[in-house]
Amino acid sequence: DAKTTQPNSMESNEEEPVHLPCNHSTISGTDYIHWYRQLPSQGPEYVIHGLTSNVNNRMASLAIAEDRKSSTLILHRATLRDAAVYYCILRDRGYGGSQGNLIFGKGTKLSVKP
Amino acid sequence: DTAVSQTPKYLVTQMGNDKSIKCEQNLGHDTMYWYKQDSKKFLKIMFSYNNKELIINETVPNRFSPKSPDKAHLNLHINSLELGDSAVYFCASSQEGAGVADTQYFGPGTRLTVL
Repeated sequence: DAKTTQPNSMESNEEEPVHLPCNHSTISGTDYIHWYRQLPSQGPEYVIHGLTSNVNNRMASLAIAEDRKSSTLILHRATLRDAAVYYCILRDRGYGGSQGNLIFGKGTKLSVKP
Repeated sequence: DTAVSQTPKYLVTQMGNDKSIKCEQNLGHDTMYWYKQDSKKFLKIMFSYNNKELIINETVPNRFSPKSPDKAHLNLHINSLELGDSAVYFCASSQEGAGVADTQYFGPGTRLTVL
């Protein structure tokens, strides 16, 4: 499985932007980059995904390096509710069978200070 | 309305017992999953299932078996429970064929404690 590397933990102040990095140096041309997060005592939830171009949605932005070997999840204004573990996951575009499964790493635990 | 629901939320049982966890999704999805999150917080896929095939993670003991009475339900049966089965179990669903962008929706989890 293609692997990702994320910092174990990060801290942010409330209402400030947060940049969560992810390295995926072995990414293949058919891998999409997905981000999920898990709030305390809840199941994971989808945040955003992308292939090559930067992506924006109501939750976050995803900045993808030109060589695709790294990406950054951007929360534009962190709130206390954004405190969670954030997972960066590679997913094969040609998925079928087990390829569609999400392979979770350790993720980054984000703490948000008031 | 809850998209993916699981029952029970908490399950405490004795070693050696047989138990089931139920999962229901009202999203009309055709693929469902079970994940296990252990005490170290690692989330691992156990099964994925749709009406075409069941894919089992080979590391899952055969004491665990998914059963799907219909497309909206995927229950997890566990026989001869062991201490190491204590974990939080998450059910999820997605729409296969929507492409790699198909989002997985997770349930709230069932915390299983084996004494």
